[in-house]
Amino acid sequence: DSGVTQTPKHLITATGQRVTLRCSPRSGDLSVYWYQQSLDQGLQFLIQYYNGEERAKGNILERFSAQQFPDLHSELNLSSLELGDSALYFCASSVDFGTGNYEQYFGPGTRLTVT
Amino acid sequence: LAKTTQPISMDSYEGQEVNITCSHNNIATNDYITWYQQFPSQGPRFIIQGYKTKVTNEVASLFIPADRKSSTLSLPRVSLSDTAVYYCLVGGRGGSQGNLIFGKGTKLSVKP
Repeated sequence: DSGVTQTPKHLITATGQRVTLRCSPRSGDLSVYWYQQSLDQGLQFLIQYYNGEERAKGNILERFSAQQFPDLHSELNLSSLELGDSALYFCASSVDFGTGNYEQYFGPGTRLTVT
Repeated sequence: LAKTTQPISMDSYEGQEVNITCSHNNIATNDYITWYQQFPSQGPRFIIQGYKTKVTNEVASLFIPADRKSSTLSLPRVSLSDTAVYYCLVGGRGGSQGNLIFGKGTKLSVKP
């Protein structure tokens, strides 16, 4: 158990719909990262938040957005869903005090199926 | 932005030592090298991290030459349960990891 929690575990929805994925980081971790992993694909970095502020942005579509709340939990919003958005979505957290030395702890993931 | 290159797959047998090499030619001065392990349908798990020379923990060793343009993850005496995908990640500059690239990793298959 990494200490990172993600809900829901599974999500099935239809094309065109909007969903929200939730992540609670490990206690004390300030950074939250979101990744997408499609079948047989590597991890694609989407976005990072640090203490409530967006820190880095990767290959995140405009239909996707995220935020980190004052209690440090984060939500990833996916809208106008397409079949190709079906994937495992992972959240990770790290302490990230800016030393350049980091270790990410990954949650169990949310499996999104768009039909 | 340091990009990494690793073999797509490797095969080994139980009890053997496995070495997976990662190339990162444009690694920055502040960058650390980190390796993760991922089993199917699970989140990646941190294995080891280093900056230079050699780092060893209870699971693996990480060898980094002086120029830091590559690194080698060494898994001693692998077992069937070590069958997984291994990712090399370079980054961690001063609190801003930038655009993190895990790549497709190395799929290690351990056979009996």
